[in-house]
Amino acid sequence: EDKVVQSPLSLVVHEGDTVTLNCSYEVTNFRSLLWYKQEKKAPTFLFMLTSSGIEKKSGRLSSILDKKELFSILNITATQTGDSAIYLCAGVWGGKLIFGQGTELSVKP
Amino acid sequence: NAGVTQTPKFQVLKTGQSMTLQCAQDMNHNSMYWYRQDPGMGLRLIYYSASEGTTDKGEVPNGYNVSRLNKREFSLRLESAAPSQTSVYFCASSISGGVNIQYFGAGTRLSVL
Repeated sequence: EDKVVQSPLSLVVHEGDTVTLNCSYEVTNFRSLLWYKQEKKAPTFLFMLTSSGIEKKSGRLSSILDKKELFSILNITATQTGDSAIYLCAGVWGGKLIFGQGTELSVKP
Repeated sequence: NAGVTQTPKFQVLKTGQSMTLQCAQDMNHNSMYWYRQDPGMGLRLIYYSASEGTTDKGEVPNGYNVSRLNKREFSLRLESAAPSQTSVYFCASSISGGVNIQYFGAGTRLSVL
């Protein structure tokens, strides 16, 4: 059965901390992995990872994929209260996305 | 830019009532999707439409029907709502199934009493 598992499920940090969110997957005919950020409403796209070992970076956020070990990490450095959200990863399979449960990140002032 | 628009934003139903959730996208995307999101369970695919004129079941299709009205619009119908269908529903679209960055609407919060 195809599945995507995220850890931890929730995380509380203080502003300025660095966090690492984990995503492991078992997806048949895997093509790529996506990260989304969900605040109050719609998930918004962060990264698409297709190739192993190539880091994608946007400001304080970065992500990397390991296709041999079947996982991805999302790093956020110097966290801010605005980073508080649910972070979702999803594996692309057969034209569809299979989502993990999400990691709820709370950044305290 | 409107992107993906869902209506209504909130809805309360009684058990057994029916309703249709509407979704429209203005990005000329071929593929459209309906998800439900429950606490601790991420997003689960209900139905999807890879292209105009086609629809397929996702992970949790029971109790739902869909219609791909045209390239822009994809509706989700609950024929006889049940309390287990209380959830937040998201519509999404992508250029195609292969290039699968999906863009999401703001969601519909549905309560079934």
